[in-house]
Amino acid sequence: NAGVTQTPKFQVLKTGQSMTLQCAQDMNHEYMSWYRQDPGMGLRLIHYSVGAGITDQGEVPNGYNVSRSTTEDFPLRLLSAAPSQTSVYFCASSLLAGGRETQYFGPGTRLLVL
Amino acid sequence: AQTVTQSQPEMSVQEAETVTLSCTYDTSESDYYLFWYKQPPSRQMILVIRQEAYKQQNATENRFSVNFQKAAKSFSLKISDSQLGDAAMYFCAYRGMDSNYQLIWGAGTKLIIKP
Repeated sequence: NAGVTQTPKFQVLKTGQSMTLQCAQDMNHEYMSWYRQDPGMGLRLIHYSVGAGITDQGEVPNGYNVSRSTTEDFPLRLLSAAPSQTSVYFCASSLLAGGRETQYFGPGTRLLVL
Repeated sequence: AQTVTQSQPEMSVQEAETVTLSCTYDTSESDYYLFWYKQPPSRQMILVIRQEAYKQQNATENRFSVNFQKAAKSFSLKISDSQLGDAAMYFCAYRGMDSNYQLIWGAGTKLIIKP
C-alpha cells in the first residue's frame, strides 16, 4: 500500500511553459485534492474532486486545471506557468464519510518558475 | 468564513520536557473536525492527532494529546517527553461539515527541540 504518491519531486519551469503534476492513491479514496504551500502560510486548496468525473474549484484555482478520469489519479495541470506559481504542491486524499475523513498527503512537489 | 490562528511562530523545548502549542479557530458551525499535522524538513505532511467536535473527550495518541475547549474555540497540542524527532513545523487545521471538505490551515508553529 503506497498511500499517496506524487511526481515529480522537484521541477524547474520557465515562464509560459506547461506541465502536469501527477498524483495517485491506492486507498480507494473518493476525495482527492491539491493544495499549495507558500512560505509562512498554511496550505491553500486549489482544486478538489469527490469522485471520478467530478471536480470543483477551491480557494486559489486560477492558472490550474484538473481532471479525474479514475478513482486513483488526479493530475494538476499548469497551462502557462507564472513565477507566482512557484510553491510546494501537495496532493491529499480521504474517504468521504463514516468518520474516516482524515486527509492523507503525498510527499509534495517543489515547483520553481523562472 | 472559518479561520485558524496559530499565534506562536516558533517554540523551543528541552528534550524530555513537555511543550504546548496553541491554536484557536473561528467558526459558526457546531460540528467539525480539528487536526494537528506535523511537517518535518522532508516536507511530508503527517497526521499527528484529530478531534471530532461532538466528542467531549480530548484525543490522545501516545505522547501527543490535545486540550479541546469548544466554547473558547481553542485546540492546543501537548507533546510530552519531547524527542529530537519531534522537531518540525506543526500545523493546526479545521474541516467543517458544510465545506467542500477543505482543510483550513493555520500558519504553523516551528518546534525546536534542544538536546
